[in-house]
Amino acid sequence: RKEVEQDPGPFNVPEGATVAFNCTYSNSASQSFFWYRQDCRKEPKLLMSVYSSGNEDGRFTAQLNRASQYISLLIRDSKLSDSATYLCVVKRENAGNMLTFGGGTRLMVKP
Amino acid sequence: DAGVIQSPRHEVTEMGQEVTLRCKPISGHNSLFWYRQTMMRGLELLIYFNNNVPIDDSGMPEDRFSAKMPNASFSTLKIQPSEPRDSAVYFCASSFRPGTSSRRGVYEQYFGPGTRLTVT
Repeated sequence: RKEVEQDPGPFNVPEGATVAFNCTYSNSASQSFFWYRQDCRKEPKLLMSVYSSGNEDGRFTAQLNRASQYISLLIRDSKLSDSATYLCVVKRENAGNMLTFGGGTRLMVKP
Repeated sequence: DAGVIQSPRHEVTEMGQEVTLRCKPISGHNSLFWYRQTMMRGLELLIYFNNNVPIDDSGMPEDRFSAKMPNASFSTLKIQPSEPRDSAVYFCASSFRPGTSSRRGVYEQYFGPGTRLTVT
């Protein structure tokens, strides 16, 4: 079993739709959580950190459920430019700066 | 700041040849990571340096792979001899890790544009 699991998708949604991705992690010692975005043939880039109380950045909302060990990302009013792969990322306690990446969920927003 | 710089951007080589990938981290960052990404296996951490010292190389596939960081501004990943199954995109990333006495958390990892390696 992978340490960080995601549905690979693709999620095909129309412009303006709301879409949600979930991610589960297996290591209960996981300490910090992030969503990275990777455009086609580009490098991953940090989208947002995920805080225990949940956090919002514009159209994006991230939530963490430690008891169930899952993380979610909600995108409202999706844009064509949101089309990308979204990587769920976890940092374990005492792992220095090492991050563990999920396989990614591919989102395609259609006009 | 130019960001993380990797070279070459593309490399096509024949099986058995030596391949050297290069990385220049962001100035001031003290952690450097080498990753490999394929469709089948996703993004895998190969090796992690902190203050130029290898901390975790458990992701290095086998002895054909080696990585060095001779100074804070340069790192190499070498494959010798290369095999077709090494074909992948290799990313270098850097970040800043505060000292152990700091209460601050992990800093963002910044990725380079990657090297697309094809071994025929």
